[in-house]
Amino acid sequence: NAGVTQTPKFQVLKTGQSMTLQCAQDMNHNSMYWYRQDPGMGLRLIYYSASEGTTDKGEVPNGYNVSRLNKREFSLRLESAAPSQTSVYFCASSEGAGQSNGYTFGSGTRLTVV
Amino acid sequence: KQEVTQIPAALSVPEGENLVLNCSFTDSAIYNLQWFRQDPGKGLTSLLLIQSSQREQTSGRLNASLDKSSGRSTLYIAASQPGDSATYLCAVRDSNSGYALNFGKGTSLLVTP
Repeated sequence: NAGVTQTPKFQVLKTGQSMTLQCAQDMNHNSMYWYRQDPGMGLRLIYYSASEGTTDKGEVPNGYNVSRLNKREFSLRLESAAPSQTSVYFCASSEGAGQSNGYTFGSGTRLTVV
Repeated sequence: KQEVTQIPAALSVPEGENLVLNCSFTDSAIYNLQWFRQDPGKGLTSLLLIQSSQREQTSGRLNASLDKSSGRSTLYIAASQPGDSATYLCAVRDSNSGYALNFGKGTSLLVTP
């Protein structure tokens, strides 16, 4: 089925380790996003890419980096994981700059940092 | 900053009931509002997208309304079923937030047989 694919689905890291979360969409969407979901906090935007070749910070960017590898792929990197980064991470995409576009979300990556 | 509130936080109803989930937002200058469903341990599934110029959208047993001037949206679920049990999230996109969706914290719905 067409949509947003995230890998891995689950990950356990030790404090200080690094890892990259992968995201790919096959809907030819221009814009892609990374959110984190925490109990009691709701979903918060980490970084987004309005179009291929651009990236911008969202509400909670500290401790993360992103790469828009091509139009399909948008990765999120944790350089030195901290327990505060334990969360569920969602990648999303939308058609583009038009404000009328809705979002499509992936199934999430559940990350635990110990 | 846009604040999105969903009431109630949790709801339990017997199968067959019609029910209403509420969403309110503080900044009425929105582009659109989107309702999502999230099953436990799963991702978000889009249910309905309402543009700022629209009053309502319908999909099957679901109907979402939007009153932009009062900062409110409702999601109406007709003839509820146990399979409707999930968390329902409301998200708003507005001119001040740029590309970000502003989410409410959700309504957790349980439909009992």
